[in-house]
Amino acid sequence: QKEVEQNSGPLSVPEGAIASLNCTYSDRGSQSFFWYRQYSGKSPELIMFIYSNGDKEDGRFTAQLNKASQYVSLLIRDSQPSDSATYLCAVNSQFVRALTFGSGTRLQVQP
Amino acid sequence: DTGVSQDPRHKITKRGQNVTFRCDPISEHNRLYWYRQTLGQGPEFLTYFQNEAQLEKSRLLSDRFSAERPKGSFSTLEIQRTEQGDSAMYLCASSSGLAGLANTGELFFGEGSRLTVL
Repeated sequence: QKEVEQNSGPLSVPEGAIASLNCTYSDRGSQSFFWYRQYSGKSPELIMFIYSNGDKEDGRFTAQLNKASQYVSLLIRDSQPSDSATYLCAVNSQFVRALTFGSGTRLQVQP
Repeated sequence: DTGVSQDPRHKITKRGQNVTFRCDPISEHNRLYWYRQTLGQGPEFLTYFQNEAQLEKSRLLSDRFSAERPKGSFSTLEIQRTEQGDSAMYLCASSSGLAGLANTGELFFGEGSRLTVL
């Protein structure tokens, strides 16, 4: 079992729709969770982080965390073609002093 | 530009040659990380420095790989006797996580050094 799992996609949504990206993790001791966006050929850039159970909103983005289910998600409202990218879920494991990344979900927003 | 910078951006080498990558982190960041990323995969952790001390190495890091961070500033990653399987993007990231805390904090990535081994 991978430490951080994501559906590779592509996830295709029409412009203006809500995109829902999901991530599960295996280490119950994980305390912090990050969503990074990576455009093709570019390096990852942070979108949001979340530490506590529940929802955290930042503009069009909402991160959701459920530690009991070991599940974290990212919702993108009013999706734009510029949101088309790979979204990486990253988790701070208690076993490694670095973030562990999933393989990413490729999002395509259709105009 | 005060972000993380990496050099060279692209490197093409023949199998068996040695290559070295350099990373200059954000100046006030005491934590520095090297990751490797291949097509369709997320970044894989290689090694971590806090100041000049190399505190963690992944099992992925074979003995052909060595990293240094003299004086806690820039870092170098050297790959000896390169193999075709070493072809990847090598990403450097830095963070300002407080010393002693397990929480990594936000990582700021450089643009990466793409290695192609022929």
